[in-house]
Amino acid sequence: DADVTQTPRNRITKTGKRIMLECSQTKGHDRMYWYRQDPGLGLRLIYYSFDVKDINKGEISDGYSVSRQAQAKFSLSLESAIPNQTALYFCATSDPNRASNYGYTFGSGTRLTVV
Amino acid sequence: QKEVEQDPGPLSVPEGAIVSLNCTYSNSAFQYFMWYRQYSRKGPELLMYTYSSGNKEDGRFTAQVDKSSKYISLFIRDSQPSDSATYLCAMSDTGTYKYIFGTGTRLKVLA
Repeated sequence: DADVTQTPRNRITKTGKRIMLECSQTKGHDRMYWYRQDPGLGLRLIYYSFDVKDINKGEISDGYSVSRQAQAKFSLSLESAIPNQTALYFCATSDPNRASNYGYTFGSGTRLTVV
Repeated sequence: QKEVEQDPGPLSVPEGAIVSLNCTYSNSAFQYFMWYRQYSRKGPELLMYTYSSGNKEDGRFTAQVDKSSKYISLFIRDSQPSDSATYLCAMSDTGTYKYIFGTGTRLKVLA
Protein backbone atom coordinates (compact mmCIF):
# COMPACT_ATOMS: atom_id res chain seq x y z
CA ASP A 1 0.00 0.00 0.00
CA ALA A 2 1.11 3.56 -0.71
CA ASP A 3 2.43 5.65 2.19
CA VAL A 4 0.09 8.51 1.27
CA THR A 5 -3.23 7.57 -0.31
CA GLN A 6 -5.54 10.04 -1.97
CA THR A 7 -9.12 9.40 -3.04
CA PRO A 8 -10.61 9.78 -5.55
CA ARG A 9 -7.91 9.70 -8.27
CA ASN A 10 -10.12 11.51 -10.72
CA ARG A 11 -13.30 13.51 -10.26
CA ILE A 12 -15.53 15.57 -12.50
CA THR A 13 -18.01 17.79 -10.73
CA LYS A 14 -20.39 20.59 -11.60
CA THR A 15 -20.05 24.23 -10.67
CA GLY A 16 -21.59 24.95 -7.29
CA LYS A 17 -21.29 21.42 -5.94
CA ARG A 18 -19.55 20.60 -2.68
CA ILE A 19 -16.75 18.09 -3.00
CA MET A 20 -14.35 16.44 -0.59
CA LEU A 21 -10.92 15.06 -1.38
CA GLU A 22 -9.52 12.62 1.12
CA CYS A 23 -5.98 11.79 2.20
CA SER A 24 -4.68 9.13 4.55
CA GLN A 25 -1.10 8.27 5.47
CA THR A 26 0.80 5.42 7.07
CA LYS A 27 4.06 7.35 7.53
CA GLY A 28 3.24 8.34 11.10
CA HIS A 29 4.06 11.95 10.24
CA ASP A 30 2.44 14.74 12.21
CA ARG A 31 2.56 17.30 9.44
CA MET A 32 0.17 17.15 6.49
CA TYR A 33 -0.36 19.49 3.56
CA TRP A 34 -2.67 20.13 0.64
CA TYR A 35 -1.23 21.55 -2.58
CA ARG A 36 -2.68 22.24 -5.98
CA GLN A 37 -0.63 22.02 -9.16
CA ASP A 38 -1.42 24.06 -12.25
CA PRO A 39 0.57 24.27 -15.49
CA GLY A 40 2.93 27.24 -15.38
CA LEU A 41 2.19 27.92 -11.72
CA GLY A 42 3.73 24.92 -10.05
CA LEU A 43 2.72 23.63 -6.64
CA ARG A 44 0.89 26.06 -4.38
CA LEU A 45 0.08 25.47 -0.72
CA ILE A 46 -3.62 25.50 0.18
CA TYR A 47 -3.63 24.40 3.84
CA TYR A 48 -1.25 22.72 6.24
CA SER A 49 -1.63 21.02 9.59
CA PHE A 50 1.06 20.37 12.20
CA ASP A 51 -1.21 18.17 14.31
CA VAL A 52 -4.90 17.43 14.78
CA LYS A 53 -5.53 20.72 16.58
CA ASP A 54 -3.25 22.92 14.51
CA ILE A 55 -4.52 23.90 11.05
CA ASN A 56 -3.19 26.80 9.04
CA LYS A 57 -4.01 28.56 5.81
CA GLY A 58 -1.56 28.48 2.96
CA GLU A 59 -1.15 30.98 0.16
CA ILE A 60 -4.36 30.10 -1.71
CA SER A 61 -6.93 28.98 0.89
CA ASP A 62 -9.94 30.98 -0.35
CA GLY A 63 -12.74 28.66 -1.48
CA TYR A 64 -11.29 25.68 0.39
CA SER A 65 -11.64 24.21 3.85
CA VAL A 66 -9.94 21.27 5.57
CA SER A 67 -10.52 18.81 8.35
CA ARG A 68 -7.88 16.84 10.24
CA GLN A 69 -9.90 13.90 11.52
CA ALA A 70 -6.92 12.05 12.97
CA GLN A 71 -3.15 12.11 12.76
CA ALA A 72 -3.39 9.98 9.65
CA LYS A 73 -6.30 11.68 7.88
CA PHE A 74 -6.56 15.11 6.32
CA SER A 75 -9.40 16.03 3.97
CA LEU A 76 -9.86 19.00 1.67
CA SER A 77 -13.30 20.39 0.81
CA LEU A 78 -14.42 22.71 -1.90
CA GLU A 79 -17.59 24.27 -0.51
CA SER A 80 -18.94 25.47 -3.86
CA ALA A 81 -16.73 24.34 -6.72
CA ILE A 82 -15.89 26.76 -9.52
CA PRO A 83 -14.15 26.06 -12.85
CA ASN A 84 -10.87 27.76 -11.88
CA GLN A 85 -10.49 25.15 -9.15
CA THR A 86 -9.84 22.62 -11.90
CA ALA A 87 -6.36 21.34 -11.07
CA LEU A 88 -4.26 18.46 -9.81
CA TYR A 89 -4.43 18.25 -6.03
CA PHE A 90 -1.74 16.67 -3.89
CA CYS A 91 -1.65 15.69 -0.27
CA ALA A 92 1.78 15.50 1.35
CA THR A 93 3.28 14.65 4.72
CA SER A 94 6.56 15.50 6.44
CA ASP A 95 8.49 14.70 9.58
CA PRO A 96 10.71 17.62 10.58
CA ASN A 97 12.31 15.71 13.42
CA ARG A 98 14.46 13.67 11.07
CA ALA A 99 17.46 15.71 9.89
CA SER A 100 17.87 13.54 6.80
CA ASN A 101 14.24 13.68 5.84
CA TYR A 102 13.16 17.25 5.42
CA GLY A 103 11.32 16.41 2.25
CA TYR A 104 7.68 15.78 1.68
CA THR A 105 6.07 12.47 0.85
CA PHE A 106 3.39 13.11 -1.73
CA GLY A 107 0.32 11.11 -2.66
CA SER A 108 -0.43 10.27 -6.28
CA GLY A 109 -2.82 13.17 -6.64
CA THR A 110 -6.48 13.81 -7.44
CA ARG A 111 -7.29 15.25 -10.84
CA LEU A 112 -10.34 17.46 -10.33
CA THR A 113 -12.33 18.95 -13.16
CA VAL A 114 -15.10 21.46 -12.46
CA VAL A 115 -17.50 21.93 -15.37
CA GLN B 1 8.95 38.35 -10.31
CA LYS B 2 8.43 34.85 -8.94
CA GLU B 3 10.51 33.83 -5.92
CA VAL B 4 11.69 30.73 -7.76
CA GLU B 5 12.20 30.57 -11.53
CA GLN B 6 12.59 27.37 -13.50
CA ASP B 7 12.64 26.86 -17.27
CA PRO B 8 9.62 24.67 -18.14
CA GLY B 9 11.32 22.94 -21.08
CA PRO B 10 10.76 20.48 -22.54
CA LEU B 11 14.39 19.51 -22.64
CA SER B 12 15.16 16.62 -25.00
CA VAL B 13 18.50 14.82 -24.81
CA PRO B 14 19.87 11.55 -26.21
CA GLU B 15 20.42 8.61 -23.89
CA GLY B 16 23.77 8.81 -22.13
CA ALA B 17 23.95 12.61 -22.17
CA ILE B 18 24.72 14.76 -19.15
CA VAL B 19 21.67 16.80 -18.20
CA SER B 20 21.77 20.11 -16.38
CA LEU B 21 18.59 21.41 -14.75
CA ASN B 22 18.56 24.79 -13.05
CA CYS B 23 16.57 27.12 -10.81
CA THR B 24 17.17 30.70 -9.82
CA TYR B 25 15.68 32.37 -6.77
CA SER B 26 15.37 35.83 -5.30
CA ASN B 27 15.10 35.23 -1.54
CA SER B 28 18.57 35.26 0.00
CA ALA B 29 17.16 33.68 3.18
CA PHE B 30 16.64 30.33 1.45
CA GLN B 31 19.00 27.75 2.93
CA TYR B 32 17.30 24.42 2.26
CA PHE B 33 17.12 23.17 -1.29
CA MET B 34 15.49 20.11 -2.76
CA TRP B 35 14.95 18.46 -6.11
CA TYR B 36 11.90 16.35 -6.79
CA ARG B 37 11.15 14.08 -9.73
CA GLN B 38 7.56 13.74 -10.93
CA TYR B 39 6.47 11.09 -13.39
CA SER B 40 3.27 11.57 -15.36
CA ARG B 41 0.17 11.04 -13.20
CA LYS B 42 2.25 10.58 -10.08
CA GLY B 43 3.15 12.70 -7.11
CA PRO B 44 6.61 14.30 -6.80
CA GLU B 45 9.26 12.18 -5.11
CA LEU B 46 12.30 13.57 -3.31
CA LEU B 47 15.57 13.09 -5.22
CA MET B 48 18.11 15.29 -3.49
CA TYR B 49 18.28 17.51 -0.44
CA THR B 50 21.03 20.04 0.28
CA TYR B 51 21.56 22.56 2.99
CA SER B 52 23.32 25.86 2.29
CA SER B 53 25.98 25.92 -0.42
CA GLY B 54 28.06 23.22 -2.03
CA ASN B 55 27.62 19.98 -3.88
CA LYS B 56 25.96 16.71 -3.02
CA GLU B 57 26.25 13.53 -5.04
CA ASP B 58 24.03 10.46 -5.09
CA GLY B 59 24.74 7.93 -7.81
CA ARG B 60 24.18 9.58 -11.19
CA PHE B 61 22.73 12.72 -9.60
CA THR B 62 24.63 15.77 -8.34
CA ALA B 63 22.96 18.76 -6.72
CA GLN B 64 24.82 22.04 -6.63
CA VAL B 65 23.95 25.23 -4.74
CA ASP B 66 25.53 28.62 -5.40
CA LYS B 67 24.04 30.97 -2.85
CA SER B 68 26.10 33.95 -4.00
CA SER B 69 24.43 33.71 -7.41
CA LYS B 70 21.10 32.44 -6.04
CA TYR B 71 21.30 29.52 -8.41
CA ILE B 72 20.87 25.79 -7.95
CA SER B 73 21.50 22.96 -10.36
CA LEU B 74 20.80 19.28 -10.72
CA PHE B 75 23.12 17.26 -12.94
CA ILE B 76 22.18 13.82 -14.25
CA ARG B 77 25.03 11.75 -15.67
CA ASP B 78 24.54 8.92 -18.16
CA SER B 79 20.88 9.87 -18.58
CA GLN B 80 18.42 7.04 -19.20
CA PRO B 81 14.95 6.97 -20.79
CA SER B 82 13.63 6.19 -17.30
CA ASP B 83 14.84 9.66 -16.24
CA SER B 84 12.15 11.19 -18.48
CA ALA B 85 9.98 13.12 -16.03
CA THR B 86 9.35 16.61 -14.72
CA TYR B 87 11.94 17.89 -12.25
CA LEU B 88 10.88 20.35 -9.60
CA CYS B 89 13.16 22.43 -7.43
CA ALA B 90 11.97 23.52 -4.00
CA MET B 91 13.49 25.75 -1.37
CA SER B 92 12.84 27.11 2.08
CA ASP B 93 14.33 29.41 4.69
CA THR B 94 13.11 27.35 7.65
CA GLY B 95 13.76 23.88 6.31
CA THR B 96 10.70 22.43 7.97
CA TYR B 97 7.72 23.56 5.96
CA LYS B 98 6.48 26.17 3.48
CA TYR B 99 8.76 25.14 0.68
CA ILE B 100 8.46 27.26 -2.44
CA PHE B 101 8.39 25.14 -5.57
CA GLY B 102 9.55 25.93 -9.06
CA THR B 103 7.14 25.22 -11.90
CA GLY B 104 9.18 22.22 -13.07
CA THR B 105 11.28 21.34 -16.11
CA ARG B 106 10.04 18.54 -18.34
CA LEU B 107 12.89 16.25 -19.42
CA LYS B 108 12.77 13.71 -22.24
CA VAL B 109 15.63 11.27 -22.65
CA LEU B 110 15.51 9.68 -26.08
CA ALA B 111 16.60 6.06 -26.53
